[in-house]
Amino acid sequence: DIQMTQSPPTLSAAVGDRVTITCRASQSIDIWVAWYQQKPGKAPKLLIYKASTLESGVPSRFSGSGSGTEFTLTISSLQPDDSATYYCQHYYIPRTSFGQGTKLEIE
Amino acid sequence: EVQLVESGGGLVQPGGSLRLSCAASGFTFSDHDMDWVRQAPGKGLEWVGRSENKPKNYNTEYAASVKGRFTISRDNSENSLYLQMNSLKIEDSAVYYCVVWFNGYVAPWGRGTLVTVSS
Repeated sequence: DIQMTQSPPTLSAAVGDRVTITCRASQSIDIWVAWYQQKPGKAPKLLIYKASTLESGVPSRFSGSGSGTEFTLTISSLQPDDSATYYCQHYYIPRTSFGQGTKLEIE
Repeated sequence: EVQLVESGGGLVQPGGSLRLSCAASGFTFSDHDMDWVRQAPGKGLEWVGRSENKPKNYNTEYAASVKGRFTISRDNSENSLYLQMNSLKIEDSAVYYCVVWFNGYVAPWGRGTLVTVSS
């Protein structure tokens, strides 16, 4: 099975900062990665799919990049509402898996 | 509008069984792979299993942690997905989500249904 190793597990940054979260796949998965944001008590929300495609309605400060085994989620200018846990997920049929999550705190 | 509504969660004793349901709408159900994903309290997201779409003959796949205990089925006439959970363990306690796959992503997510395994 393909494993997704996500880092860092926690991240603290100030409003306006640029932050980057990384996911590394245990084997090449082309561009088949999605990123989700989850706030406490809520279901995950899709941010990015196919590594770099921004979901409709998601602010443009969110961006994704990568292919093969290395993927990144970047928030260009952190806002207070971005406090959440972020997960990557691969889509490489017929199975899938998630990264361990990154808890982002606003200083 | 895509909608997924999970139901059937509750409190069950270790070793017991429970059947979860997911009512889907807003898309052609038989055309899409459907997964169950769970999240234990305070933990991350864990894939449980998949029912593939009609072109893939509705094949099912399971995570190692549930294989042999959980069974995924679907009723395409009712646009419903099911998760039969047997021999439940305390570590199966979680919020269970059903999700639908589009072109490389799952969205939107439903509210999930809470399963608590406890004596």
